[in-house]
Amino acid sequence: KQEVTQIPAALSVPEGENLVLNCSFTDSAIYNLQWFRQDPGKGLTSLLLIQSSQREQTSGRLNASLDKSSGRSTLYIAASQPGDSATYLCAVRRGTDKLIFGTGTRLQVFP
Amino acid sequence: EAGVAQSPRYKIIEKRQSVAFWCNPISGHATLYWYQQILGQGPKLLIQFQNNGVVDDSQLPKDRFSAERLKGVDSTLKIQPAKLEDSAVYLCASSSRAGTNEKLFFGSGTQLSVL
Repeated sequence: KQEVTQIPAALSVPEGENLVLNCSFTDSAIYNLQWFRQDPGKGLTSLLLIQSSQREQTSGRLNASLDKSSGRSTLYIAASQPGDSATYLCAVRRGTDKLIFGTGTRLQVFP
Repeated sequence: EAGVAQSPRYKIIEKRQSVAFWCNPISGHATLYWYQQILGQGPKLLIQFQNNGVVDDSQLPKDRFSAERLKGVDSTLKIQPAKLEDSAVYLCASSSRAGTNEKLFFGSGTQLSVL
């Protein structure tokens, strides 16, 4: 059974810092991994999707890496801003199976 | 483009009462999902529809939860009777095509509190 864990559960940093969010999964036989953002009282928004054959994906200040063999992914946020404050969730998919979500990291960036 | 609409935004009920949630997906999206997100956890899939047919309801507690998708468009999720552990945010999501690289669009969710 696939289990997805995210560390840390919560993170508070000053504006401008570069930070790394971690995602671990127990079954390396995944097809892809996605990172989502969830703002309070709102649904999820997809940020990045990495195929199992890829090492990383970039979108603006966000960079996600994937090491499938070790069951790890990281989301790197450069030059963090208060607007980045949200909960970040990773999710893995095996074939056409349903997405399995992690527990999330709640990020607060203060001015 | 209008997003996924859900109602109500909040609902407070007592245990053993019934409750229903409504979802209107993005126009033209054939695939619709209901997720349950308990505080501090990631979303867990309850049921997946493809048009008006059920694709996956393996994690739906069928003794108390039911869902339908009329005419392959709107969907309702019902809980009867509710338990304390049903307190959660219920998220609806839709996509134009199910598959490994599908892009899901989520609604804002319904926050349910069972007292």
